Amino acid sequence: AIRMTQSPSSLSASTGDRVTITCRASQGINSYLAWYQQKPGKAPKLLIYAASTLHSGVPSRFSGSGSGTDFTLTISCLQSEDFATYYCQQYYSYPITYGQGTRLEIK
Amino acid sequence: EVQLVESGGGLVQPGGSLRLSCAASGFTFSSSWMSWVRQAPGKGLEWLANIKLDGSEKYYVDSVKGRFTISRDNAKNSLYLQMNSLRAEDTAVYYCARSLPGKNVFDIWGQGTMVTVSS
Repeated sequence: AIRMTQSPSSLSASTGDRVTITCRASQGINSYLAWYQQKPGKAPKLLIYAASTLHSGVPSRFSGSGSGTDFTLTISCLQSEDFATYYCQQYYSYPITYGQGTRLEIK
Repeated sequence: EVQLVESGGGLVQPGGSLRLSCAASGFTFSSSWMSWVRQAPGKGLEWLANIKLDGSEKYYVDSVKGRFTISRDNAKNSLYLQMNSLRAEDTAVYYCARSLPGKNVFDIWGQGTMVTVSS
């Protein structure tokens, strides 16, 4: 199985900040990478797929980049509603696997 | 409204069985690959299984292969997960999720149903 490793595991930031979360795959996955946001007690929400394609309805302050093994999720100007846990997911091969999550907290 | 609603969770003893259901509405269920994903308390996401539009292809993660079975009934717009030989480590919230066309990326999720395996 492809192992996905996110860094950092947690991050403190303030409203208005620009933050970047990194996801590394244990082997090349081309651009078969998605990002999700999850708030406590809620199901995950799709943000980005194909490494950089913004899902419908997702604010443009979210962006993704990368290919191969290294990927990033950037939030350009943090809003209060962005404080949540973020997961990357590879869908290059079965089994589909996720990173361990990055918890974004208010500083 | 596009919606997925899971049901069937609960408390079950180790070694027991449970069948989860996921009712779909607001979209053409028979045109979508569907998956089950779980999340243990305080932990991350784990994809479990998916099933093709007509049920002809199914894929599983090793940790549930041989114990869990995914199925669907397109006439009832429903997805199922039959879980046998349950273990304490299967305790989690179980989500059903819809795949984007042609991609194992999940754009619609249910609210989740809790399964607790304990004596």
